[in-house]
Amino acid sequence: DVKVTQSSRYLVKRTGEKVFLECVQDMDHENMFWYRQDPGLGLRLIYFSYDVKMKEKGDIPEGYSVSREKKERFSLILESASTNQTSMYLCASSYTEAAPLHFGNGTRLTVT
Amino acid sequence: QKEVEQNSGPLSVPEGAIASLNCTYSDRVSQSFFWYRQYSGKSPELIMSIYSNGDKEDGRFTAQLNKASQYVSLLIRDSQPSDSATYLCAVRNSSASKIIFGSGTRLSIRP
Repeated sequence: DVKVTQSSRYLVKRTGEKVFLECVQDMDHENMFWYRQDPGLGLRLIYFSYDVKMKEKGDIPEGYSVSREKKERFSLILESASTNQTSMYLCASSYTEAAPLHFGNGTRLTVT
Repeated sequence: QKEVEQNSGPLSVPEGAIASLNCTYSDRVSQSFFWYRQYSGKSPELIMSIYSNGDKEDGRFTAQLNKASQYVSLLIRDSQPSDSATYLCAVRNSSASKIIFGSGTRLSIRP
């Protein structure tokens, strides 16, 4: 079974802090994704990556950056956290472009 | 028009009945279609993938795809209380660069 591990289940940060969300997958998947999920807005794609050191903007990249230095790890960075970034963050990976996504357990981030 | 549309529900179905969940999509040349189940407070888990027109069955679940009409549906037979969850329809768009999710349908199975 594919395992996608997100480093934190719950996080509380202050406005203006730099926040790192880590995601690791153990199945040698090429593709990795970061989504956020908010009530009424569904899942929205922030960034994705098809290879090491490669990244593509999703639908809502503003205020976020990503890093993929190793194939198995994809990090989401909030450069200066704001209260409107309070959300559930979901990391996912897939083997190929056509394959389904496998999600991590999610990180519920609260910015105060 | 949203790229992937689902009725938000809640859809209430008696235990043992068939639950029918529907999804329409706007990108005519979409190639890959997925159904995910999400329990409250948990992350989505994959139930079914479907890539070609017709029906695909897996246990109590059947996915149906009609590309001409641009809809995909999920049938759950012999519904159980444990099927109560939000069901997300997801479509990979024509550029194959990302998967678009619907907002989900909340399903409630009443005993």
